[in-house]
Amino acid sequence: QKEVEQNSGPLSVPEGAIASLNCTYSDRGSQSFFWYRQYSGKSPELIMFIYSNGDKEDGRFTAQLNKASQYVSLLIRDSQPSDSATYLCAVRGNTDKLIFGTGTRLQVFP
Amino acid sequence: DTGVSQNPRHKITKRGQNVTFRCDPISEHNRLYWYRQTLGQGPEFLTYFQNEAQLEKSRLLSDRFSAERPKGSFSTLEIQRTEQGDSAMYLCASSPRQGGYTFGSGTRLTVV
Repeated sequence: QKEVEQNSGPLSVPEGAIASLNCTYSDRGSQSFFWYRQYSGKSPELIMFIYSNGDKEDGRFTAQLNKASQYVSLLIRDSQPSDSATYLCAVRGNTDKLIFGTGTRLQVFP
Repeated sequence: DTGVSQNPRHKITKRGQNVTFRCDPISEHNRLYWYRQTLGQGPEFLTYFQNEAQLEKSRLLSDRFSAERPKGSFSTLEIQRTEQGDSAMYLCASSPRQGGYTFGSGTRLTVV
């Protein structure tokens, strides 16, 4: 079992819709959770992070964490074609390193 | 300070040669990380430093790889006797004590 799992996609949504990206992790001791966006040929950019169970909102983005289910999600409201990218979920355990999933490719079509 | 800087951006080398990459982190960040990413995969952890101390090194990393961070500022990653399987994007990131990483633009290595 991989430490951080994501569906590779692609996830295709129409412009203006809500995109829902999901991630599961195996280490119950994981303490913080991160979402990165990566455009093709570019390096990852931090979107947001979450530490506590529940929801955290930042503009059009909402991160959701359920530690009991070992599940993290990212919702993107009012999706735009410019949101088309690969979204990486990353988890930090007891050490400082982040463990990344393989990413989900999102396609937003006009 | 404009972010994490990596040099060179691209490196093409012949198999068997040694290569060295440099990373300059955000100045107030004391943690520095090296990752490797291949097409279709997420970044894979290689090693990280807190100030000048190398605190963890991936057990997947062969002894051909070495990293340093003298004086806790910039870092170098050296790959000796390169192999075709070393071809990848090498990413450097830095972070403060809490929060997420800020990545540099990466160094794309091609071993021919």
